[in-house]
Amino acid sequence: QSALTQPASVSGSPGQSITISCTGTSSDVGGYNYVSWYQQHPGKAPKFMIYDVSNRPSGVSNRFSGSKSGNTASLTISGLQAEDEADYYCSSYTSSYTWVFGGGTKLTVL
Amino acid sequence: EVQLVESGGGLVQPGGSLRLSCAASGFTFSSYWMEWVRQAPGKGLVWVSRINTDGSTTRYADSVKGRFTISRDNAKNTLCLQMNSLRAEDTAVYYCARKNFNGMDVWGQGTTVTVSS
Repeated sequence: QSALTQPASVSGSPGQSITISCTGTSSDVGGYNYVSWYQQHPGKAPKFMIYDVSNRPSGVSNRFSGSKSGNTASLTISGLQAEDEADYYCSSYTSSYTWVFGGGTKLTVL
Repeated sequence: EVQLVESGGGLVQPGGSLRLSCAASGFTFSSYWMEWVRQAPGKGLVWVSRINTDGSTTRYADSVKGRFTISRDNAKNTLCLQMNSLRAEDTAVYYCARKNFNGMDVWGQGTTVTVSS
């Protein structure tokens, strides 16, 4: 199972919005609405941010939103804040009954 | 407090074995599928294995199939990963995670496995 494709890095200024894409295939992202997103700060465990493409777990800021079109899912962060600087990973359920992650995107808040 | 705590990592020679454990607390462990995810130094997250609530169904990434075995003891609220025939490329931080909401909503702090001679 190949990793989902994410941009290596994105950046934005405080207050701006950024979008991170996550491209897979019809066997994963395109075939299921089971895309999730994780935030990981250096040296820390990942944090659950989005599930089922666009749903936020309790406690996650509404500045984080998710969407999907075809084989590509997206995470949008609005009103960027310094604490949003982290690595972000998408994940999808697959036709092989497994999970696959994206390669990760480093978000820099300028 | 919902918590997962991994243990059992360490330095092992290529071809050796290691058994990781994950102690769960603060929730009904037996009601949740559980996952193992690893992260090689400076690299991204990679899914490793999954087990259902009663341990009757397991799944593995192709890279570990036949070498790793996932198991659970619901009476002891413990998840395990038996790793055999270890290779240098298995070097990583290993996280256990709770499957919920079609994702992984609770993660441990990770345990480090280093495979080197």
